[in-house]
Amino acid sequence: DSGVTQTPKHLITATGQRVTLRCSPRSGDLSVYWYQQSLDQGLQFLIHYYNGEERAKGNILERFSAQQFPDLHSELNLSSLELGDSALYFCASSVAENTEAFFGQGTRLTVV
Amino acid sequence: AQTVTQSQPEMSVQEAETVTLSCTYDTSENNYYLFWYKQPPSRQMILVIRQEAYKQQNATENRFSVNFQKAAKSFSLKISDSQLGDTAMYFCASVSTGAQKLVFGQGTRLTINP
Repeated sequence: DSGVTQTPKHLITATGQRVTLRCSPRSGDLSVYWYQQSLDQGLQFLIHYYNGEERAKGNILERFSAQQFPDLHSELNLSSLELGDSALYFCASSVAENTEAFFGQGTRLTVV
Repeated sequence: AQTVTQSQPEMSVQEAETVTLSCTYDTSENNYYLFWYKQPPSRQMILVIRQEAYKQQNATENRFSVNFQKAAKSFSLKISDSQLGDTAMYFCASVSTGAQKLVFGQGTRLTINP
């Protein structure tokens, strides 16, 4: 158990809908990263927050947004969902901005 | 920009053999970390080993060790006495303060055969 909690574990929704993925980092970790992994693909970086501030943004679609709250948990919002958004979404946390990150178990999103 | 390259898409060895996975990286930063992550069929991402760039000594974790060649920007992972449970996708990754993110390679799918 990495100590990073992601909910829900599985999510099935229809095209055009909006979903929210939640991540609770390890106790004491200030950095939260979000990654997308499609089937048999690598990890695509979406966004990084550190202590509530956005630090870096990857190829994140405009339909996607995220935030980190004062209690350091983070949420990834995906709207106007398309079939191609089906993927495994990982959250990872680290104590600082340039050290190892520990991953949650991921949220498997299926858009039908 | 920080990049990580894994040139071996797939590898396969027999149980108990030693296997080495290759990784090269490119960065303009002086302070950075390198990692190997394992993703078994469960698809959970598990940190295997880490290497701080300023340390010359190669990191070791039980049967896992790295060969860190800073000048060549190479960071290979050696798995000794391989076990069936080592079957997984292995990702090489780096992070630096400047990059503000973990950058991953494309992954190497390793299969350990009985």
